[in-house]
Amino acid sequence: ETGVTQTPRHLVMGMTNKKSLKCEQHLGHNAMYWYKQSAKKPLELMFVYNFKEQTENNSVPSRFSPECPNSSHLFLHLHTLQPEDSALYLCASSQGNSGGKETQYFGPGTRLLVL
Amino acid sequence: DQQVKQNSPSLSVQEGRISILNCDYTNSMFDYFLWYKKYPAEGPTFLISISSIKDKNEDGRFTVFLNKSAKHLSLHIVPSQPGDSAVYFCAASAGETSGTYKYIFGTGTRLKVLA
Repeated sequence: ETGVTQTPRHLVMGMTNKKSLKCEQHLGHNAMYWYKQSAKKPLELMFVYNFKEQTENNSVPSRFSPECPNSSHLFLHLHTLQPEDSALYLCASSQGNSGGKETQYFGPGTRLLVL
Repeated sequence: DQQVKQNSPSLSVQEGRISILNCDYTNSMFDYFLWYKKYPAEGPTFLISISSIKDKNEDGRFTVFLNKSAKHLSLHIVPSQPGDSAVYFCAASAGETSGTYKYIFGTGTRLKVLA
């Protein structure tokens, strides 16, 4: 497996469910990101982890809870979501030692539908 | 308020001709810019980047131009090929000076190259 992988690719959940999105990168990177892409909106950065430490939380509601157990894995735990949270959730990774001039490599995304 | 704008949601170009995709930004602190390409059901893939110390960067058929005074960048694809049909996102970062890992994305332009 190469690059950045995400599971599941599609997820349908009710508002009372708890689910988790998983991201794994095989690039030897140290920074990982969660983005949200809603229809007709730009990609919105949610969280940044650098060397397993959270360095950015872009005012994300607490019903989204990230976890980064090591530099290769990133999770997004979801609970009591709202229908407006339905979107494409993208994970990305980058080297993690050059700040904002690094290229970020994206996974294929998880398409989430909240009913 | 959107700091990175792609005002053309779509563009159609004949195969072999030049495709020009435009992007405007408002934040004068941005110092690093990237273009990503996205096919359906895949994550964005990095295409080309440019630092604010340059006004042009070329990679094969792809050239990015940066006009700092106008806060405008453009992506030229010459010659355009049907496989270039995708959604193109520009992104900007203030990372070279601030070290932040935050990219701001535009809403994307859907390019269709007609055979």
